[in-house]
Amino acid sequence: QVQLQESGPGLVKPSETLSLTCAVSGASMSTLNWWSWVRQSPGMGLEWIAHIYHTGSTNYNPSLRSRVTISLDESKNQISLNLNSVTAADTAMYYCARQRSSSASLDYWGHGTLVTVSS
Amino acid sequence: QSVLTQPPSVSGAPGQRVTISCAGSTSNIGAGHDVHWYLQLPGTAPKPLIYNSISRPSGVPDRFSGSKSGTSASLAITGLQAEDEADYYCQSYDSSLTAYVFGTGTKVTVL
Repeated sequence: QVQLQESGPGLVKPSETLSLTCAVSGASMSTLNWWSWVRQSPGMGLEWIAHIYHTGSTNYNPSLRSRVTISLDESKNQISLNLNSVTAADTAMYYCARQRSSSASLDYWGHGTLVTVSS
Repeated sequence: QSVLTQPPSVSGAPGQRVTISCAGSTSNIGAGHDVHWYLQLPGTAPKPLIYNSISRPSGVPDRFSGSKSGTSASLAITGLQAEDEADYYCQSYDSSLTAYVFGTGTKVTVL
């Protein structure tokens, strides 16, 4: 069973960098899948942030591209997300998910980690 | 600002059939990109419901079905049950935005 577990600080100050990690278990990262980050602002809808392939190939949401970096560490079976220059608008639940390369559907999700941007 | 538009809410009595629309454009659904649907219960992560517009993951009841036509897609729930009360989201890819996009979300209420 594929499991994903996000972790990171629950509170980040404005203008600082948000750093999150997602631990993957039950699946090899060297498969035909992308590994994604998705966020959901309180009471709002879902927003795809970025994804990464085990080769290191990445794609970013253009609306966040200038502030986001996604990375992958196969030896640790984990993916990471850095979002810099955060504002209150970045307050959200952040999910990591596996994205099938064959269909682009997100078939396994973590439980999510809530990040609040506040001084 | 989502490029996939869903009705904010739909409701139905137990046993009834409800449908949720997902209206897109020629740069996403109309461009032939697949549509996927997710169910989200309060306080939990989204769960896959339909992928590739019409396919159900293992374990999803056949009461849930998807369709796609032109620039829109739909999710149908037949034999509505109390446990179906949740938020539902569609998802596709937008060639103009070069990003995966989600619908605005629909809250299903079982009367």
